[in-house]
Amino acid sequence: DGGITQSPKYLFRKEGQNVTLSCEQNLNHDAMYWYRQDPGQGLRLIYYSQIVNDFQKGDIAEGYSVSREKKESFPLTVTSAQKNPTAFYLCASRPGQAVNTEAFFGQGTRLTVV
Amino acid sequence: QKEVEQNSGPLSVPEGAIASLNCTYSDRGSQSFFWYRQYSGKSPELIMSIYSNGDKEDGRFTAQLNKASQYVSLLIRDSQPSDSATYLCAVKVGGYQKVTFGTGTKLQVIP
Repeated sequence: DGGITQSPKYLFRKEGQNVTLSCEQNLNHDAMYWYRQDPGQGLRLIYYSQIVNDFQKGDIAEGYSVSREKKESFPLTVTSAQKNPTAFYLCASRPGQAVNTEAFFGQGTRLTVV
Repeated sequence: QKEVEQNSGPLSVPEGAIASLNCTYSDRGSQSFFWYRQYSGKSPELIMSIYSNGDKEDGRFTAQLNKASQYVSLLIRDSQPSDSATYLCAVKVGGYQKVTFGTGTKLQVIP
């Protein structure tokens, strides 16, 4: 089945560690996104990518890094520079070439700092 | 000014009533507008998309877009308890890939 897969579903990180969240899609979508959601809040854009080997900072990129080496994959690394990483992380994708298309989400990764 | 603004709610409506959710946006270049529903602990799911001024209906849902006034709304007719969720408004500026979300409105449908 086509879709967006995020892994792991739950992730625990010790303070000072880097962790990488996986996002894979088999929808042949060009654009991919990473959002962060804190309890009771909306989605805030971390990074997005329009095509392979290209990505743009969103509104809260500090302390995060991404790569887009393959069309299907857009991993997010939460670095030790991110002071409050505990949150729900959502990956999304959409067909980038057409203007009027929707974004679809993976199931999310819940990251907790212990 | 936030790019996309929504009233956080909660908005409480009785079962069977019409729920009206509103969203305003700041960038006049915005061309694509989306409504997502998010249940607690789950990822957002798309309900409606709208790209031109006017109304768009899909079952019990109607999206309304007014670009001159820079607002988009979602009406839910015959509200059901299962509609209780947070509704997120999202906007994409034409020519760019960035999709920006509002903070969401929590809807409670009272049986």
